[in-house]
Amino acid sequence: DADVTQTPRNRITKTGKRIMLECSQTKGHDRMYWYRQDPGLGLRLIYYSFDVKDINKGEISDGYSVSRQAQAKFSLSLESAIPNQTALYFCATSGLSTDTQYFGPGTRLTVL
Amino acid sequence: DQQVKQNSPSLSVQEGRISILNCDYTNSMFDYFLWYKKYPAEGPTFLISISSIKDKNEDGRFTVFLNKSAKHLSLHIVPSQPGDSAVYFCAASGLSSGSARQLTFGSGTQLTVLP
Repeated sequence: DADVTQTPRNRITKTGKRIMLECSQTKGHDRMYWYRQDPGLGLRLIYYSFDVKDINKGEISDGYSVSRQAQAKFSLSLESAIPNQTALYFCATSGLSTDTQYFGPGTRLTVL
Repeated sequence: DQQVKQNSPSLSVQEGRISILNCDYTNSMFDYFLWYKKYPAEGPTFLISISSIKDKNEDGRFTVFLNKSAKHLSLHIVPSQPGDSAVYFCAASGLSSGSARQLTFGSGTQLTVLP
């Protein structure tokens, strides 16, 4: 079984719709992250959480919100999706004493 | 302003030869560097890392070199195999004022190993 799972894997939605992407991990890590990948831009950090009560904005948080429901679960919401939020979205986790992050398989989101 | 740059979007190498992927950074506070490999429809997979106190780290066919004075690191794959064909991301982390340690990624290099 995968250590970091993401649902859904693919999603097509329309402008203005609310969308939630979910991430679960079995690695026992405290730290979780959400990134988006766009062609030619690498991965950019949206939000991160160092424990259940900790939420921090990343480089590109506008238009997104997150919820850390438990140590193992971290969800990303688009309150009102717009076409330029079409991208690949990745969840990642890391332990307390390391910078190395472990990624989920990604969600391909298309906003029409 | 990109703090981590991978200036070659793509690289093609013959099977069995050496692949060299390059990465430059601008932030002198970066002290830990990582390489990730990504196949289509999968998430990035951690490959190898290096701390700024070292200038070389080796793991099997993969070696990362760090030149701090030039703010440059490279990943060498020897010998290259067709299964190495993937996008390779360079990433860096370090202390920054008012912010926790985070990874900053380059834009990636598509490596194609030709049989």
